Amino acid sequence: EAGVVQSPRYKIIEKKQPVAFWCNPISGHNTLYWYLQNLGQGPELLIRYENEEAVDDSQLPKDRFSAERLKGVDSTLKIQPAELGDSAVYLCASSGGLAGTNTGELFFGEGSRLTVL
Amino acid sequence: AQSVTQPDIHITVSEGASLELRCNYSYGATPYLFWYVQSPGQGLQLLLKYFSGDTLVQGIKGFEAEFKRSQSSFNLRKPSVHWSDAAEYFCAVGAGQAGTALIFGKGTTLSVSS
Repeated sequence: EAGVVQSPRYKIIEKKQPVAFWCNPISGHNTLYWYLQNLGQGPELLIRYENEEAVDDSQLPKDRFSAERLKGVDSTLKIQPAELGDSAVYLCASSGGLAGTNTGELFFGEGSRLTVL
Repeated sequence: AQSVTQPDIHITVSEGASLELRCNYSYGATPYLFWYVQSPGQGLQLLLKYFSGDTLVQGIKGFEAEFKRSQSSFNLRKPSVHWSDAAEYFCAVGAGQAGTALIFGKGTTLSVSS
């Protein structure tokens, strides 16, 4: 079974430029998460989707960040315009499974590392 | 507020020595607890999880963790560390329900000396 797939793995841009990250979750997983991981820190939730609905976006900086999951499968996270402080790793995760067997474990992709110059 | 504390930012252990990484949590309901490992440039891989039953849980790569409700702790242990265990370790807590986000600690970096 394929895991969570993210792209690009690495992205270097200049400040004020836009950037987008793509995530394809594990097949059948209804819940998709975007986490932000700063250097030397643990992951912090940006947004959580249940199918195509964003059910928790309270930590997403909506002035410059946006996300979508139009068909309830893959998702895109966008930053426009990027700032120096956005340099970080953006992790995508998914969870799901049969009722009664899901204990909340998240499956992570390898992350997209963003460097803003 | 829900939170996870990993008191040790960086630990160095000699190869073959035992290891214990500390994790304390604050959670209003019955916690579901997880340990993840992250190698450089990689995503997070689940080592083990606790959600009920025996408070000593076994995971992959020879790791185990013990849930102590009275101490709000979920410490990770390994009896004999290998050089390949050098990585970042994260403790996390969640509600254990489908579709709930996990709250992570800031992580502990493990270095292994020869």
